[in-house]
Amino acid sequence: DIQVTQSPSSLSASVGDRVTITCRASQNIAKYLIWYQQKPGKAPDLLIYGASSLHTGVPSRFSGSGSGTDFTLTISNLQPEDFATYYCQQSHSSPRSFGQGTKLELK
Amino acid sequence: QLQLQESGPGLVKPSETLSLTCTVSGGSVSSNSFYWGWIRQTSGRGLEWIGDYYPSGQSGRTYYNPSLKGRVTISIDTSKNQFSLKLTSVTASDTAVYYCARRRLIDYGGIDFWGQGTLVTVSS
Repeated sequence: DIQVTQSPSSLSASVGDRVTITCRASQNIAKYLIWYQQKPGKAPDLLIYGASSLHTGVPSRFSGSGSGTDFTLTISNLQPEDFATYYCQQSHSSPRSFGQGTKLELK
Repeated sequence: QLQLQESGPGLVKPSETLSLTCTVSGGSVSSNSFYWGWIRQTSGRGLEWIGDYYPSGQSGRTYYNPSLKGRVTISIDTSKNQFSLKLTSVTASDTAVYYCARRRLIDYGGIDFWGQGTLVTVSS
């Protein structure tokens, strides 16, 4: 099975900041990496697929990069609505494992 | 707009079978452009992929998380536009919020629609 390790587990930032979250896969997954945003009490929302492609309607301040085993999610110019928990998921092979999540909190 | 809605008991006794149904509106579970599946979430284990159903051919194809050790079955009822989850021999560790979801066949398989989630508690 492919393990996905996400870091950090939590992050404090201010409105207007730029933050980066990383995700590492235990083996080469090419670009089969997905990012989701989850707000309390809600289901996750798709942000980025294929490591770097923005899902429809996702603001351009979100960006993703990486391939192989190392990936990053960057949020530029943080907005109040961006404070949430972020998860990565590998979609290369079953079982389609998720990272442990990064909770982005307002400083 | 596609909508998914989970339904089923919120309380299941240990050793019994957890059964949930996802009703799909605004789209068809027969579409071979998508997988239909289940994910669960706990505060301790985070998000856990349970499995997917792909409507291919006469009986479809299923993919399950091996960690569930053969306890899981996902099936589709095209006449009702629903798909279902059965998890047998449940224990307290199966207590979670269960989500049904649609995963894309293309675009690296991201999950683009989720149900709102339903809490299932395993307790006597």
